[in-house]
Amino acid sequence: DIQLTQSPSSLSASVGDRVTITCRASQSISMYLNWYQQKPGKAPKLLIFSVSNLQSGVPSRFSGSGSGTDFTLTITSLQPEDFATYYCQQSHSSPRTFGQGTKLEF
Amino acid sequence: EVQLLESGGDLVQPGGSLRLSCAASGFTFSTYAMSWVRQTPGKGLEWVSTITGSGGSTYYADSVKGRLTISRDNSKNTLSLQMNSLRAEDTAVYHCARDEYNTGWRYFDSWGQGTLVTVSS
Repeated sequence: DIQLTQSPSSLSASVGDRVTITCRASQSISMYLNWYQQKPGKAPKLLIFSVSNLQSGVPSRFSGSGSGTDFTLTITSLQPEDFATYYCQQSHSSPRTFGQGTKLEF
Repeated sequence: EVQLLESGGDLVQPGGSLRLSCAASGFTFSTYAMSWVRQTPGKGLEWVSTITGSGGSTYYADSVKGRLTISRDNSKNTLSLQMNSLRAEDTAVYHCARDEYNTGWRYFDSWGQGTLVTVSS
């Protein structure tokens, strides 16, 4: 199975900050990398698919980059509603796997 | 608006059985593959199973193969997960998710809030 390792596991930030979350794959996954946001007690929400494609309705302050084994999710100008847990997920190989999550908090 | 609403979670003893359901609305259900993804505080998110839109093909994680069975009823817009021989490690919140396949890219584009399954004596 492909392992995805996110760093950091948690991140303290403030409104207006720019933050970057990293996701590293145990082997090359080309561009088959998606990002999700989850708030407590809520369903995960798709933010970005295939590295850098913003899902409809997702604000442009979210962006993604990378290829192969190293990927990043960047949030510019953090808003109060962005404090949540973020997960990367690969769809290169079965089983589809997720990173362990990065909790973004005040 | 896409809506996915899971039900059926409960407390069950090890070795017991449970059937989860997911009621889908807001889209043409039969044209999408659907999946179950479970979530625990310790292991995070884990893909469990996927079924194609027609129901003709199913896929399972090794950890559940032979014990969990995914199915769908396209006439009722319902996805199901029959869970047999349950183990403590199956304890999790089970989410149903719509499986989008877009020009070669694959992702879960809509999720339900989940239903809690607890396996304990």
